[in-house]
Amino acid sequence: GNSVTQMEGPVTLSEEAFLTINCTYTATGYPSLFWYVQYPGEGLQLLLKATKADDKGSNKGFEATYRKETTSFHLEKGSVQVSDSAVYFCALSDYGQNFVFGPGTRLSVLP
Amino acid sequence: NAGVTQTPKFQVLKTGQSMTLQCAQDMNHNSMYWYRQDPGMGLRLIYYSASEGTTDKGEVPNGYNVSRLNKREFSLRLESAAPSQTSVYFCASSLGTSGYEQYFGPGTRLTVT
Repeated sequence: GNSVTQMEGPVTLSEEAFLTINCTYTATGYPSLFWYVQYPGEGLQLLLKATKADDKGSNKGFEATYRKETTSFHLEKGSVQVSDSAVYFCALSDYGQNFVFGPGTRLSVLP
Repeated sequence: NAGVTQTPKFQVLKTGQSMTLQCAQDMNHNSMYWYRQDPGMGLRLIYYSASEGTTDKGEVPNGYNVSRLNKREFSLRLESAAPSQTSVYFCASSLGTSGYEQYFGPGTRLTVT
């Protein structure tokens, strides 16, 4: 079946550091890929998405590129802020009735 | 445009009590979902409704029932609450089930004592 694997957390960075959170997936066909962010005490918010190979999703300084050859969708940000501290979920939706979330990666950014 | 709303925000139940969690969306979405989130377990799908008039079991349906009341509303019922159902419950909606992003409500924090 479909699955999403994310790097284990927690990830702790200093403010202005470069962020990468790795995400790889297993799916048949050509799923859509998503990154969600969850701030403490809140629901999940869609951060960015990509619907086909080589698409780059971007939002709020975050970027991720849909790489079909490596089945990856790594999240990057050039300079993180304390306000980026949250849990980040990679997810996929394929053309069946499957929406699969990764386990989440907790990011802590220190001032 | 409120998006996805959930009531209540917090609830404490005693073992054996029943309750219904309410969810509504104003985005004219066809599909709606109920998840639970537990520490270290990520998100687990309880039930979903692909379209008005249909409901299907997810990964962890035991102990729950759902009703798709109309296109906007999707409720989750606990008939006889158990401590194992202590969790944070999220409702979500999407335009469809294939390839579309889901939009989440703020969650209901349920404690069963």
